[in-house]
Amino acid sequence: GESVGLHLPTLSVQEGDNSIINCAYSNSASDYFIWYKQESGKGPQFIIDIRSNMDKRQGQRVTVLLNKTVKHLSLQIAATQPGDSAVYFCAEMSFGNEKLTFGTGTRLTIIP
Amino acid sequence: ETGVTQSPTHLIKTRGQQVTLRCSSQSGHNTVSWYQQALGQGPQFIFQYYREEENGRGNFPPRFSGLQFPNYSSELNVNALELDDSALYLCASSLDTYNSPLHFGNGTRLTVT
Repeated sequence: GESVGLHLPTLSVQEGDNSIINCAYSNSASDYFIWYKQESGKGPQFIIDIRSNMDKRQGQRVTVLLNKTVKHLSLQIAATQPGDSAVYFCAEMSFGNEKLTFGTGTRLTIIP
Repeated sequence: ETGVTQSPTHLIKTRGQQVTLRCSSQSGHNTVSWYQQALGQGPQFIFQYYREEENGRGNFPPRFSGLQFPNYSSELNVNALELDDSALYLCASSLDTYNSPLHFGNGTRLTVT
């Protein structure tokens, strides 16, 4: 398949360890945030979302943290597996604006 | 539950030609959005359709146009293709226009020569 994200920030993590992917956003009006995972040759896959009235949300092996004061979002993946290797994007949306604005993406590589 | 499906998966066109890409939304979703993803970048918003009408548009010229049908499926049309139009075109559907996660298809890879 094609490559996605040839010159992205990269993060390499040992299998079984936890990983943290960070994202900074600039629009203080953003109030809805989503993390996506994109594997080579595929479209972005929804992982987890969070609204601005929350600062933490947990899913299966994933946790998203939102710090509105410094406009920062993070995705924590627990006990990483080889299948977690992909490019991860944060995306933001603000009320009255229909579009999702995506960050630049981070390539996560899990080392066996 | 059927996810978002797009066709074709790959397409090669010549500069100046026109192209139509198709998308079937996920069951129960009434909103469709189209994104363009250049190699190495995040997806860029083209436009959104809700109730068969355009409901927001990104910074793309008028030669990018779309349709949404009563069954919520959608088409993206691009006229007068340019080399820079080469990209992955992603369709996403959602339950509503806002505050609802977008679910993406696997895209159509368009190459313009």
